[in-house]
Amino acid sequence: QVQLVESGGGVVLPGRSLRLSCAASGFVFSSYGMHWVRQAPGKGLEWVAVISFDGSDKYYADSVKGRFTISRENSKNTLYLQMNSLRDEDTAVYYCAKDRAIFGVITELVNWGQGSLVTVSS
Amino acid sequence: SSELTQDPAVSVALGQTVTITCQGDSLRTSSASWFQQKPGQAPILVIYDKNKRPSGIPDRFSGSASGNMASLTITGPQAEDEADYYCSSRDSRDTYVMFGGGTKLTVL
Repeated sequence: QVQLVESGGGVVLPGRSLRLSCAASGFVFSSYGMHWVRQAPGKGLEWVAVISFDGSDKYYADSVKGRFTISRENSKNTLYLQMNSLRDEDTAVYYCAKDRAIFGVITELVNWGQGSLVTVSS
Repeated sequence: SSELTQDPAVSVALGQTVTITCQGDSLRTSSASWFQQKPGQAPILVIYDKNKRPSGIPDRFSGSASGNMASLTITGPQAEDEADYYCSSRDSRDTYVMFGGGTKLTVL
């Protein structure tokens, strides 16, 4: 079955960087678009970014554009989120999610990992 | 508009029927999906493409849509259905995903 396991979260100072990883298994990773979604403590879901199956298309939420970069390494079945210039308001649980459609970019977020907590604090 | 609006909280008696709504301009061109999230857990997709259920989701969950509104109906909710429910859609150019603010469902 589909498994998504995030890692790389932790406590980081404002202005610093952090890279999250998402290890995928149970499906043909190179055929599906992948997303990052975050959830601040006690708040709702906020979509962060998406990358197409082959990495050729990437889209970002306005709140992270220019600071975060989504990427993937299909040979390693791994999705990444490079987060630079982190702010207090980036504190959240970060989930990776698999898109439903094969060879698409955005349809629905059909499978989710358990999340990785990022805390930005001085 | 890039916003989806949901009622913050809804309650229902055990076994009754409850409908959770989601409103937004994007729903005129993009179908809604619905997620269930219990405390401390990741969201789970319960409805996609307006009214389709992923495998394993009970048939008491159904979806519908009209104009700029989408609805999630739970017919005969169980105690385990108590959770936060989020609607989601994408913009007309398929470059952005948006979520509603979530509805906390209490099963009495």
